[in-house]
Amino acid sequence: AQSVTQLGSHVSVSEGALVLLRCNYSSSVPPYLFWYVQYPNQGLQLLLKYTSAATLVKGINGFEAEFKKSETSFHLTKPSAHMSDAAEYFCAVITNTGNQFYFGTGTSLTVIP
Amino acid sequence: DAGVTQSPTHLIKTRGQQVTLRCSPKSGHDTVSWYQQALGQGPQFIFQYYEEEERQRGNFPDRFSGHQFPNYSSELNVNALLLGDSALYLCASSLADSGKLFFGSGTQLSVL
Repeated sequence: AQSVTQLGSHVSVSEGALVLLRCNYSSSVPPYLFWYVQYPNQGLQLLLKYTSAATLVKGINGFEAEFKKSETSFHLTKPSAHMSDAAEYFCAVITNTGNQFYFGTGTSLTVIP
Repeated sequence: DAGVTQSPTHLIKTRGQQVTLRCSPKSGHDTVSWYQQALGQGPQFIFQYYEEEERQRGNFPDRFSGHQFPNYSSELNVNALLLGDSALYLCASSLADSGKLFFGSGTQLSVL
């Protein structure tokens, strides 16, 4: 079975500070992993996707994530937070067939001016 | 190029009623998936349609049913609504097994 766990339902950072959102996965086979962002009253937007081509994945808006097999982690980072980064972030893993995404419970990011 | 569009954006129903939600996929996409997102939770997979057939289903009761039309648009039907069905319903489209979902803005369903 495949699943993801997001540690920390709420994260607050100061503007300009490092953003670190944690995600650990559980999968019996090499997974495809994703980070999505959801702004208020909107659907989910893909930030980045890991498909085993490279362990460090760069996404949109300055975000990146590193796949660490030894830690079964796929944490999302951004060197310097902007006010516009305030949103809900979801980590997700896809089934082997590619038909079903499993989402974490989400992490709400607040950026303090 | 329009992305994934869903209608209506908001809906209020009472217990026991039936509801139909609609989704038009992104141009060029042939696969539509439906997700339920309860308040404060991540999206939960309901089912996926491809070539007008339900290809995979999540852990949802038979009250949840769907349909895909020849133009790839899709409907989600929920019968005998319960209070617990109140949620944001998200439609996502993709191209076959590309593993890349594009989401609509969702339909907010409130069951009173």
